[in-house]
Amino acid sequence: AQSVTQPDIHITVSEGASLELRCNYSYGATPYLFWYVQSPGQGLQLLLKYFSGDTLVQGIKGFEAEFKRSQSSFNLRKPSVHWSDAAEYFCAVVPDYKLSFGAGTTVTVRA
Amino acid sequence: GAVVSQHPSRVICKSGTSVKIECRSLDFQATTMFWYRQFPKQSLMLMATSNEGSKATYEQGVEKDKFLINHASLTLSTLTVTSAHPEDSSFYICSASEDTYEQYFGPGTRLTVT
Repeated sequence: AQSVTQPDIHITVSEGASLELRCNYSYGATPYLFWYVQSPGQGLQLLLKYFSGDTLVQGIKGFEAEFKRSQSSFNLRKPSVHWSDAAEYFCAVVPDYKLSFGAGTTVTVRA
Repeated sequence: GAVVSQHPSRVICKSGTSVKIECRSLDFQATTMFWYRQFPKQSLMLMATSNEGSKATYEQGVEKDKFLINHASLTLSTLTVTSAHPEDSSFYICSASEDTYEQYFGPGTRLTVT
């Protein structure tokens, strides 16, 4: 079955430390790939997207993601986390025209 | 650019009444709008897709008579929850797209049915 998997439900990271959020997808072809962030009670904000080309994508707020076709992965990274990065992060893919979301990863930042 | 608004941000209604949620694309024309539902601590579930001037396409399991969607213009879509019940309480989020591959999300509407 086609799906998007975020293996980590919850990650706690110290402020200033690096962060990596995992995302795997299972679709026949390479879909369009997105990472969104959601603060409590808010809508979703697009961090970055991958359609084609360079597999290392730069986004807003210092985030980047790397598309690895061989691993069907699109992991999100940030070298140094700020307290304001505490939020819910969703990986999403568009295999056709509809977004399919992963279950989300909650990021907690400790001082 | 690419701003999507939703109104209201929060609404409380009594069981049996109907409530309308508006979704507007403020600075672009949205050929397609999407409506999602999100339960606490869960991901977004697509409810329906609407194209301007056409009937909405509902996902499997979503009652089209309960969740009425209208996409009357390229900047406005509405979701009406009819005869609301407590189990309809949820966070409803809309998104809008110009090209169907990238969606811009509204801030969401918290519906509480008492």
